[in-house]
Amino acid sequence: EAQVTQNPRYLITVTGKKLTVTCSQNMNHEYMSWYRQDPGLGLRQIYYSMNVEVTDKGDVPEGYKVSRKEKRNFPLILESPSPNQTSLYFCASRTVVDTEAFFGQGTRLTVV
Amino acid sequence: KQEVTQIPAALSVPEGENLVLNCSFTDSAIYNLQWFRQDPGKGLTSLLLIQSSQREQTSGRLNASLDKSSGRSTLYIAASQPGDSATYLCAVFGNQFYFGTGTSLTVIP
Repeated sequence: EAQVTQNPRYLITVTGKKLTVTCSQNMNHEYMSWYRQDPGLGLRQIYYSMNVEVTDKGDVPEGYKVSRKEKRNFPLILESPSPNQTSLYFCASRTVVDTEAFFGQGTRLTVV
Repeated sequence: KQEVTQIPAALSVPEGENLVLNCSFTDSAIYNLQWFRQDPGKGLTSLLLIQSSQREQTSGRLNASLDKSSGRSTLYIAASQPGDSATYLCAVFGNQFYFGTGTSLTVIP
């Protein structure tokens, strides 16, 4: 089954404790991206990657890091999480040709 | 920077009614557009993709149109059902994705 898998689905952590949210896709897609969703602000793109070893900033990259060492994986790293990073996070993938994007089920992160 | 607006923010209709959701965007250059539905606490489910060279796509009771010259897209839902209740999001994209804030639809039995 074609899918984008995020882990964990729910995470509560404390300010400053480094964490990684994993994202994996099994569709051999070149393009992967991360978003955060906040009430009243909608979904905003954090980072995206057009292929292995190629990453670019989206609209809200501050406080986040990503890496793309393999085609199927695109982890999101919060080196020093802060409460304003409490949000619902989504990972997505698609081919680089303009095809539809597939989204993961989301990771609800709470930073206290 | 691309700005995407969806109106109305919320909509409540009786079952069986046909309805139109609107999406407008500020930069109409070469962008593709995708419609999604999101159920509470869940991920995004793709409904329709309109590539930049297309004007319309249909899937079952759903029809989406794209007018790049005016910066607008509409999602038409025919014969609405309670199971259509969800938040509907449009996204405009090239390399980057830009989402609207969504229309929350409630279909009343």
